[in-house]
Amino acid sequence: EAGVTQSPTHLIKTRGQQATLRCSPISGHTSVYWYQQALGLGLQFLLWYDEGEERNRGNFPPRFSGRQFPNYSSELNVNALELEDSALYLCASSNPRQGVQPQHFGDGTRLSIL
Amino acid sequence: GESVGLHLPTLSVQEGDNSIINCAYSNSASDYFIWYKQESGKGPQFIIDIRSNMDKRQGQRVTVLLNKTVKHLSLQIAATQPGDSAVYFCAENPITGNQFYFGTGTSLTVIP
Repeated sequence: EAGVTQSPTHLIKTRGQQATLRCSPISGHTSVYWYQQALGLGLQFLLWYDEGEERNRGNFPPRFSGRQFPNYSSELNVNALELEDSALYLCASSNPRQGVQPQHFGDGTRLSIL
Repeated sequence: GESVGLHLPTLSVQEGDNSIINCAYSNSASDYFIWYKQESGKGPQFIIDIRSNMDKRQGQRVTVLLNKTVKHLSLQIAATQPGDSAVYFCAENPITGNQFYFGTGTSLTVIP
């Protein structure tokens, strides 16, 4: 079974630019979660998508947005990039129809803002 | 939001010793907890989980203990090996769907 895959592995942008990060969940998983992990810190919840709809979002400004496609893959978009957006962005997936269960993570996209 | 915290941000142990990583959670209504391991350059990897109707669960070389009275979770690793060096996170599900809240992590270093 293929795990959660994220692309690109690394992304370098400059202030003010826009970034798009992609995530493919495990086959059969309908929920995708996005987290931000700044260097040396824990995971901050960003967004949760399920069945194509946004179910919840964390305490982040509106320039962090995303969407989920019919095949359950997802994009995270960050507009007007700021230096403090430099972090590892992790995507996780699960199938909530099987009850509360662990989220399975990809290896993340390292976003660096110059 | 919820708060899940760890008592010790760093932990160093000798190879072969047992390790204990602690976690405090704030929501007494939480009913499901997970420990994750994150190695350098990788995403968090599921280790073991426990539901609130249990107080202990064992896996291969790992044991999770749950004390609901004091809202405390611990991860015990037996015979710690160099490959166990990583950051360990606890995560809490406060019965609000499948959303989890993560602690800041404990960095475990195994000394050969």
